[in-house]
Amino acid sequence: EDKVVQSPLSLVVHEGDTVTLNCSYEVTNFRSLLWYKQEKKAPTFLFMLTSSGIEKKSGRLSSILDNKELFSILNITATQTGDSAVYLCAVRNTGTASKLTFGTGTRLQVTL
Amino acid sequence: GAVVSQHPSWVICKSGTSVKIECRSLDFQATTMFWYRQFPKQSLMLMATSNEGSKATYEQGVEKDKFLINHASLTLSTLTVTSAHPEDSSFYICSAHLPGLGPNYGYTFGSGTRLTVV
Repeated sequence: EDKVVQSPLSLVVHEGDTVTLNCSYEVTNFRSLLWYKQEKKAPTFLFMLTSSGIEKKSGRLSSILDNKELFSILNITATQTGDSAVYLCAVRNTGTASKLTFGTGTRLQVTL
Repeated sequence: GAVVSQHPSWVICKSGTSVKIECRSLDFQATTMFWYRQFPKQSLMLMATSNEGSKATYEQGVEKDKFLINHASLTLSTLTVTSAHPEDSSFYICSAHLPGLGPNYGYTFGSGTRLTVV
């Protein structure tokens, strides 16, 4: 059974800090890893990672995958209060069902 | 593009009644729809995968007679919670798989339905 574990479970930081969120996984026939941000309703897509060692970047957010050690990190620099959310990591295997297995999520709170 | 419209966004029902949640793909054909449940402060748990025109595939531990999924057309999938009980109160969210729209797509989520059973 595919398994995704995120750490920390929750985190409180001050505005301007840099945070690193972790995601480790065990999956049969890995295909991709996805990061989502969930505020109050539907998760919004951040990154999809398929290749090890290639950083993906979008503004203050960046992510990288290590598919040898089976983990990914999501970095947020110069955090803002609007970054407060639950960050979800999900993995997809190569099966035809295309389903995602989500991690436990990291609840980030950015305070003034 | 690639919008999934989910209704209702919230619903309160009495114990023992049934509730239907709809997910419509507005500008694409969703051959596969995933249904998730999320309890407070927990992650999304996959309940079932529905494919247009065939029976849904349920995850282990999910009662298929209680959570009825219908995917009769390429633009509509429904989840009916039958004989709802307070423990069914949760956030239900659908997601469509989009294989043909490039690497930044893949999955699009509905806005979710918060179900409260009283």
